[in-house]
Amino acid sequence: NAGVTQTPKFQVLKTGQSMTLQCAQDMNHEYMSWYRQDPGMGLRLIHYSVGAGITDQGEVPNGYNVSRSTTEDFPLRLLSAAPSQTSVYFCASSYGGFTDTQYFGPGTRLTVL
Amino acid sequence: AQKITQTQPGMFVQEKEAVTLDCTYDTSDQSYGLFWYKQPSSGEMIFLIYQGSYDEQNATEGRYSLNFQKARKSANLVISASQLGDSAMYFCAMKTSYDKVIFGPGTSLSVIP
Repeated sequence: NAGVTQTPKFQVLKTGQSMTLQCAQDMNHEYMSWYRQDPGMGLRLIHYSVGAGITDQGEVPNGYNVSRSTTEDFPLRLLSAAPSQTSVYFCASSYGGFTDTQYFGPGTRLTVL
Repeated sequence: AQKITQTQPGMFVQEKEAVTLDCTYDTSDQSYGLFWYKQPSSGEMIFLIYQGSYDEQNATEGRYSLNFQKARKSANLVISASQLGDSAMYFCAMKTSYDKVIFGPGTSLSVIP
């Protein structure tokens, strides 16, 4: 049981490049989310999914796309990277009820030059 | 608007002493969950404790307890018998629907030997 896995752990991009951050979970969780963490601001929700084929926007969705074709995977795509997207990105999953804890992946540290 | 406030950017506590980390929240929803997470310097997010809005008793998990005062909209984390390994960032979070979770800015706790 690997829990929530994220790849890559580190990534450096040039402005305008695109890339996909991978997230996978093996706990059969219906709900998955992407957050970004910036210094002094805690975590902010980018996008979330309540099940395969269903996604919705969070607090800061601009510049990011997601899709959920399977229960296990929830990739985050940066369409055209900007320096403002330099951040640490966390993927999380849970069963979804109010009492259900979110399990976080180890994070991806992204730098956009 | 929903919001989490953590007014203590940094805290110090002597080893073996108890410490309280403050968290206030704002929501118009009647049903919500409150969570505390720990983030050590290694970067992972570790779940500590959960309190539901309808729970009448304060939650406890080992050395962690949550002082829940619903009328005051506060959910303070109490760590008893602090250990050096408790030095970390601590985040208060609120879950209101589906998988929407709002995080506070965090409190940095340093345990002094």
